[in-house]
Amino acid sequence: QKEVEQDPGPLSVPEGAIVSLNCTYSNSAFQYFMWYRQYSRKGPELLMYTYSSGNKEDGRFTAQVDKSSKYISLFIRDSQPSDSATYLCAMIWNQGGKLIFGQGTELSVKP
Amino acid sequence: DAGVIQSPRHEVTEMGQEVTLRCKPISGHNSLFWYRQTMMRGLELLIYFNNNVPIDDSGMPEDRFSAKMPNASFSTLKIQPSEPRDSAVYFCASSFSGSPETQYFGPGTRLLVL
Repeated sequence: QKEVEQDPGPLSVPEGAIVSLNCTYSNSAFQYFMWYRQYSRKGPELLMYTYSSGNKEDGRFTAQVDKSSKYISLFIRDSQPSDSATYLCAMIWNQGGKLIFGQGTELSVKP
Repeated sequence: DAGVIQSPRHEVTEMGQEVTLRCKPISGHNSLFWYRQTMMRGLELLIYFNNNVPIDDSGMPEDRFSAKMPNASFSTLKIQPSEPRDSAVYFCASSFSGSPETQYFGPGTRLLVL
């Protein structure tokens, strides 16, 4: 079993739709939870990070962490074609700098 | 501010040749990470340094791979001899060790070994 599981998609939605991206994990020691966005042929860029359980909102993006279920989500409201990219979840233990990434979900937002 | 700088951006080589990938982290960052990304395995951490010292190299696939960080502003990842299965995109990332959750990635080096 992988430490972090993420549905690779691809996921295709119409412009304006609400998108839900999800990851599950097995290691309860994870404390920080990140979402990275990766455009084609580019490096991943950090979108948001949260510490422990709860929600965090940044514009059209909301990150949600449920530590009791070992489940994290990223919601994108009013999705735009420019949101088309691969979204990777990542997690880190409280100690040390080693990020564990999910496989990434490829998202396509159609005009 | 310049981000993480990697060179070369593309590399095509023949099996058996030595390959050297280079990385310049963001100024002020003291943690540096080397990742490899493939369709099959996703993004994998190869090795990371803290204050120029290798901390965890458990992801280095085999002895053909080696990494160095001679100073705070430069790191290399070397593959010798290279094999076709090493074909992948190699990313370097850096962060401040006090904020390990915020890693900044370079544009990557796309390696093709024929």
